Parts: sequence; structure tokens; C-alpha cells
Amino acid sequence: AQSVTQPDIHITVSEGASLELRCNYSYGATPYLFWYVQSPGQGLQLLLKYFSGDTLVQGIKGFEAEFKRSQSSFNLRKPSVHWSDAAEYFCAVGSNDYKLSFGAGTTVTVRA
Amino acid sequence: EAGVAQSPRYKIIEKRQSVAFWCNPISGHATLYWYQQILGQGPKLLIQFQNNGVVDDSQLPKDRFSAERLKGVDSTLKIQPAKLEDSAVYLCASSFNRGPDTQYFGPGTRLTVL
Repeated sequence: AQSVTQPDIHITVSEGASLELRCNYSYGATPYLFWYVQSPGQGLQLLLKYFSGDTLVQGIKGFEAEFKRSQSSFNLRKPSVHWSDAAEYFCAVGSNDYKLSFGAGTTVTVRA
Repeated sequence: EAGVAQSPRYKIIEKRQSVAFWCNPISGHATLYWYQQILGQGPKLLIQFQNNGVVDDSQLPKDRFSAERLKGVDSTLKIQPAKLEDSAVYLCASSFNRGPDTQYFGPGTRLTVL
């Protein structure tokens, strides 16, 4: 079975600074990888996904993620954070039987 | 395009009572999922439907939870009787295909069991 680890429970970043959220996965085959964002009281919104091809993936809201097979990682980055990026971020891995497993999430706080 | 609709948004019940949640997926989406998200954790899949058939319910506590998707469109998740540990947000998601496709999530129903 697949699993996801998000090592950072909470990250605080200044507005305008760069952001990187870590995600490590465990899965024996080629994974399908996702990053979702959840604002308070809202459902999950897809930021980006990786199925195959270019390992650097561009998403919405200026986010990008890089798939590194050798490190079993799929870290999320944003060059300059806006106050509206404060939310909880979830990394997820999909398996060949189409089950999606989520990490525990990283809460991002943006300070002025 | 309308998103995934869920109701109610909030529900408070006493333990041992029953509760039902409703989900209407995005039009044309064949696959529907129910997730349980406990505070501080990521969503956990409870059950997956393909049209009106169950594909995976291995993590559904079948002694108290049930779900159906009549006519392959909207779905209902029921808990009877509820326990304190069922307090969570219940998320419904849908995707066009069963394959490695993007899942679109509804706003969720926050259940509090007292």
C-alpha cells in the first residue's frame, strides 16, 4: 500500500518570501502525485498533479512541484507568497488501483 | 460548471443517533468518493463508487456506516448509530474516470457527535 509523509506540520513564512513544502511518498510502482490546498471551511482544491513526463510541474496560483524519483519526493514551491496562500496543503499519491492516499497536511501561516 | 454539492454543511448529533449526508457530483462524473477527514489528519477514503456500483469499501466501518448511489448520480452516506470518534469532516469527491484522474472535492459536512 502507498503512503505519504509531510514532515512539516506547520510553516510560517513572511509575505513575499519563498515557500517550499516537503512531501515524501512510498509506493512500489510509478505514482500519480497531487498537491491540494484547503482553506478553512472549504473543500480541497487541486493545485497541480504529476502523472508522467516532465518532472517539473506547473500549477495554479503560481505553484510548482518537482518529482524526484530517486528521493521519492514531490516538493511544492512558490517563489513569492501572498497572504491569501495561508491554508492547509495536502500531498497525495494515487496507485494503479486508483486509490488516493493523503499526507497529514502542512499548515501555512503568512505573516505581514 | 457547477462543482460537487454537499449537504448539510454542519451537523451536531448525540451519540447513538443516526445521520445522513448527501452528495451531488459534477455532471457526467462516473466515479464518486466519500472521505473522512479527522481534525489534524488528511482525508481517508471510505468508499468509492463507479456509476452505481461499489468499487472499494474496504475502509468503511460496515457495522455502522452505509452508502448508496442510486441511479449512478447523487449519493448518500449514513451513520447509524454514531460514536464520538465519528466526529469529522465528511468529504465527497468525483472524477470523470476511475483511472488516475483529478478528483474534485465538495465543501464537506462537518459532523460533531456529542
